[in-house]
Amino acid sequence: AQKITQTQPGMFVQEKEAVTLDCTYDTSDPSYGLFWYKQPSSGEMIFLIYQGSYDQQNATEGRYSLNFQKARKSANLVISASQLGDSAMYFCAMREGLTGGGNKLTFGTGTQLKVEL
Amino acid sequence: ETGVTQTPRHLVMGMTNKKSLKCEQHLGHNAMYWYKQSAKKPLELMFVYSLEERVENNSVPSRFSPECPNSSHLFLHLHTLQPEDSALYLCASSQVKGWHTIYFGEGSWLTVV
Repeated sequence: AQKITQTQPGMFVQEKEAVTLDCTYDTSDPSYGLFWYKQPSSGEMIFLIYQGSYDQQNATEGRYSLNFQKARKSANLVISASQLGDSAMYFCAMREGLTGGGNKLTFGTGTQLKVEL
Repeated sequence: ETGVTQTPRHLVMGMTNKKSLKCEQHLGHNAMYWYKQSAKKPLELMFVYSLEERVENNSVPSRFSPECPNSSHLFLHLHTLQPEDSALYLCASSQVKGWHTIYFGEGSWLTVV
C-alpha cells in the first residue's frame, strides 16, 4: 500500500481564491510527522508547513494551513488567497518513527497547481 | 537564499564520463540525504548519512557513489551512467533526531547522453 496518496494530479484555482490539496497517509507508527513542500519549475523543494502526529491543533504558516484529520489519516493543505506565484507542484510527505530518530521522508506523487487570473 | 546549496545546477555527461555532484549545508545539521526525482515518479531516497556515517542505501546501483567528508558536505560521484539515470538529484539535510524538518537544495539537473 502506498504510504502517501495524493489523488489530484492537477488543480486550477482563480487568483485570490482558496484551494485545498488532498493528502492521505498510511502508517502504523504512533509517532510521525507530515510535511508539505512546494516545487516550482526551477526544481527547488521548498518547505511550507509541518504537522506532528501528537499536535492538538492544525498547523498554520501565513497563507498555508493544514487540515489534519487523524482518524481519517488525512492532512490536506489549504492555501488561502491564491497568488500567481503559488503555481507549482505540491508534495505531501511523511516522516515516521521520530521517537527513534526516523530519517526517511516518503513523498506522494504530487499535485500540480495552476493559479489563473 | 537556501541553506542547502548544490553544484552544478545543470550537468550533461556522456555514459563513459566521471563527474560529481556537490552539496553543502549551512544549517548546522548532522544528517544529509540524496534523493532522485525522475519524471512522473515520486521522489526516491538514495542515500542517508547520519553523523557522517552512511545509514541507508536504498539498493542504488554502484555507478552512484556517495561521499560525506564532514557534516556540512555531501558528494555524489557518478561514473558510467545510463540514459535512464537522467533526473533531478536533490540534496537535503536535517538534524538526526526529533521533530526536525528536512530542508532541500535547489537540485542538480542531470542529463546522460
